[in-house]
Amino acid sequence: AQSVTQLGSHVSVSEGALVLLRCNYSSSVPPYLFWYVQYPNQGLQLLLKYTSAATLVKGINGFEAEFKKSETSFHLTKPSAHMSDAAEYFCAVSKNTGNQFYFGTGTSLTVIP
Amino acid sequence: NAGVMQNPRHLVRRRGQEARLRCSPMKGHSHVYWYRQLPEEGLKFMVYLQKENIIDESGMPKERFSAEFPKEGPSILRIQQVVRGDSAAYFCASSPPGGPNQPQHFGDGTRLSIL
Repeated sequence: AQSVTQLGSHVSVSEGALVLLRCNYSSSVPPYLFWYVQYPNQGLQLLLKYTSAATLVKGINGFEAEFKKSETSFHLTKPSAHMSDAAEYFCAVSKNTGNQFYFGTGTSLTVIP
Repeated sequence: NAGVMQNPRHLVRRRGQEARLRCSPMKGHSHVYWYRQLPEEGLKFMVYLQKENIIDESGMPKERFSAEFPKEGPSILRIQQVVRGDSAAYFCASSPPGGPNQPQHFGDGTRLSIL
């Protein structure tokens, strides 16, 4: 069975500081992993995806994530936080025998000026 | 290239009424998914459809909820005899054919409020 766990429902960072949002997955086979961002009153927007081509995945808005099989992790990072990064972030894993996605409970990122 | 279109954006219903939520997938996408999001919670999968077929409805409540994706027209999520607990944001997503490595593209959601 596939699932994801996002540690830390709320994360606060100072503007310009490193952003680290954690995601751990459980999967019986190599998964497909995704990070999405949700701004208030909007739908989810794809940040990046891991599909086994490369373990370090670069996404939009300066975000990247590294797939670590040994740690079953897919943490999202950004070197320098910007005020516009304040949003809700969701990690998701796809069911590899179909198209269903399993989402984490989300991490709310606050950027302090 | 239009994205996933959901309407209405906001829907208010009284207890006992019916709610109909519509979703038009992105052009070329034949897979549609419905999710429900409650405040401070993540997205909960409800149903996965392809044209004229329900592929996975394991997340749908057994009563009052139904979904369809007809050959022509948008996908519809229908909630009959709504109750206060149905108040939530309902999101639709679509993806092209190609398997589980295809990302899902989301609409902006319908926020359902039950009076």
